Amino acid sequence: EPEVTQTPSHQVTQMGQEVILHCVPISNHLYFYWYRQILGQKVEFLVSFYNNEISEKSEIFDDQFSVERPDGSNFTLKIRSTKLEDSAMYFCASRGQVGETQYFGPGTRLLVL
Amino acid sequence: SQQGEEDPQALSIQEGENATMNCSYKTSINNLQWYRQNSGRGLVHLNLIRSNEREKHSGRLRVTLDTSKKSSSLLITASRAADTASYFCATPEGGGYQKVTFGIGTKLQVIP
Repeated sequence: EPEVTQTPSHQVTQMGQEVILHCVPISNHLYFYWYRQILGQKVEFLVSFYNNEISEKSEIFDDQFSVERPDGSNFTLKIRSTKLEDSAMYFCASRGQVGETQYFGPGTRLLVL
Repeated sequence: SQQGEEDPQALSIQEGENATMNCSYKTSINNLQWYRQNSGRGLVHLNLIRSNEREKHSGRLRVTLDTSKKSSSLLITASRAADTASYFCATPEGGGYQKVTFGIGTKLQVIP
């Protein structure tokens, strides 16, 4: 069964450093998403991406965040200058058509020291 | 208040028993999804039920949807220790782009 993959599985970084989280969505999917889950809290929406542009973003997704689909298969989340509060599990998700299942990747656990 | 809220927040049962988790939501939806998350791991999709469906079965899982009450339930029959996880309902929002909104989840513990 096709699946969403994410790399790395874990990332440790120093505050103020840039990180890039990588995702490979399911190949024929059209809608792409990033979510995050701070330890012990709900999964929160960050951003959705469709037709090579951001379609929606949450208040969390400020100017420090950006997304890119550089080559038609990868989907990346960049955090320019990490803060301690960015420590969380980051999930990538993708979906085929409206109303279909949204499939999540295994997540990248980011720890900012 | 949140779109999807699960009840109970924690459930502890003996292996072999059935586990029922409930989800309530507030706005109209076209589908509702259930996910499982093992501790510190990824989100595994369990089922999607559409607004015109009332019940779906998948192995030991049964999902119901009552749009008049804006509620859904997930029943796991003959539970196993491996079912120990957090279970979330997720409802779509945002028109065509349809992000999903998660509740806080039900933490299920199945005791061997």
